[in-house]
Amino acid sequence: AQKVTQAQTEISVVEKEDVTLDCVYETRDTTYYLFWYKQPPSGELVFLIRRNSFDEQNEISGRYSWNFQKSTSSFNFTITASQVVDSAVYFCALTTGANSKLTFGKGITLSVRP
Amino acid sequence: GAGVSQTPSNKVTEKGKYVELRCDPISGHTALYWYRQSLGQGPEFLIYFQGTGAADDSGLPNDRFFAVRPEGSVSTLKIQRTERGDSAVYLCASSFRVRETQYFGPGTRLLVL
Repeated sequence: AQKVTQAQTEISVVEKEDVTLDCVYETRDTTYYLFWYKQPPSGELVFLIRRNSFDEQNEISGRYSWNFQKSTSSFNFTITASQVVDSAVYFCALTTGANSKLTFGKGITLSVRP
Repeated sequence: GAGVSQTPSNKVTEKGKYVELRCDPISGHTALYWYRQSLGQGPEFLIYFQGTGAADDSGLPNDRFFAVRPEGSVSTLKIQRTERGDSAVYLCASSFRVRETQYFGPGTRLLVL
């Protein structure tokens, strides 16, 4: 069985603050893929990043960065200099080499105040 | 290009009625997925198709739920004898191949009165 835990439920920051969203996963498969999706108030899930289990390199894309650590089964997401437009629900998700279905965490509601 | 589209965007029905929800995947994507999202929760897997066949339907909650993808493109999720507990947002996603990134549609918000 696979599981994704997002222990933080709601985070509120002031614009320009940095914020880190935590994600811990569980799987017995050695081949797996980790994802982050953003769900703004409009409701549509927007893909942010996909990482496979063999690539532990951290990734940076503009103000977004991701830290993948197999030793702690974590795949954390940091937003640098947050903006009001970053306000959304963020989901971490997992799929394995054995099947294609995504297992999602419960999501973290991020509010960025001006 | 066009993303995943879903119709209708909203559906209100009465308990006991039959509903059909439609998903049009990104052109050329061979895999199609259905998820259900209840308020305040993450999406939960229902079923996925590789081509025309259902590769995994383990997430369908009971036999009132059924999905088809007869020509390997558009898919329809069918719910018989709807119950109030079926109220949720039904999300469709597609990927170029299985195990690749899934791109989601805007969802159909189903309300069963």
